[in-house]
Amino acid sequence: DAGVIQSPRHEVTEMGQEVTLRCKPISGHNSLFWYRQTMMRGLELLIYFNNNVPIDDSGMPEDRFSAKMPNASFSTLKIQPSEPRDSAVYFCASTLTGWNTEAFFGQGTRLTVV
Amino acid sequence: DAKTTQPTSMDCAEGRAANLPCNHSTISGNEYVYWYRQIHSQGPQYIIHGLKNNETNEMASLIITEDRKSSTLILPHATLRDTAVYYCIVRVGNTDKLIFGTGTRLQVFP
Repeated sequence: DAGVIQSPRHEVTEMGQEVTLRCKPISGHNSLFWYRQTMMRGLELLIYFNNNVPIDDSGMPEDRFSAKMPNASFSTLKIQPSEPRDSAVYFCASTLTGWNTEAFFGQGTRLTVV
Repeated sequence: DAKTTQPTSMDCAEGRAANLPCNHSTISGNEYVYWYRQIHSQGPQYIIHGLKNNETNEMASLIITEDRKSSTLILPHATLRDTAVYYCIVRVGNTDKLIFGTGTRLQVFP
């Protein structure tokens, strides 16, 4: 398996534009996570899906952020409209539900909003 | 959520064992301890996890105290490539969530 695949790797956009980040989890995994990492706040869990259903979105910063998982092999994180403070590295991770399993992370998308 | 406490930074000489401590005094009986590391700006990488027994794999060993209130990650022969931020995480209850703290920045020097 190629692991968790995120695209794009880098994104530069202007303030006010819509940004869509994409994630393909590892085949067979049924839980998916979106994290955001900044110097100030570290790694923050934004949202967590299980079997394509959002279970916990308490980490989503505000209504400008939305995430979907239309099927088991694809998820998106959308920011509309984007702001400079959204600049960060966004990671996607996936795992197989269970007490004794590990999560695997993608290489991240570095977002810069100017 | 069970919280973890780790030293902010540590140094280790190349070839020596690196022992990274973690306190998790509020851990529940069915919560696992996980260790991840993050090298530079890459995605976090899984290292090892355990419940109450000591664990070993090709990367590291995990020693969990009998009362489960603390643990130590051991890299037996640290190399320069082990320089990274190491996160100790207690997996949240009956979910799959991993909540990251600030971690320990390990610097391996020649």
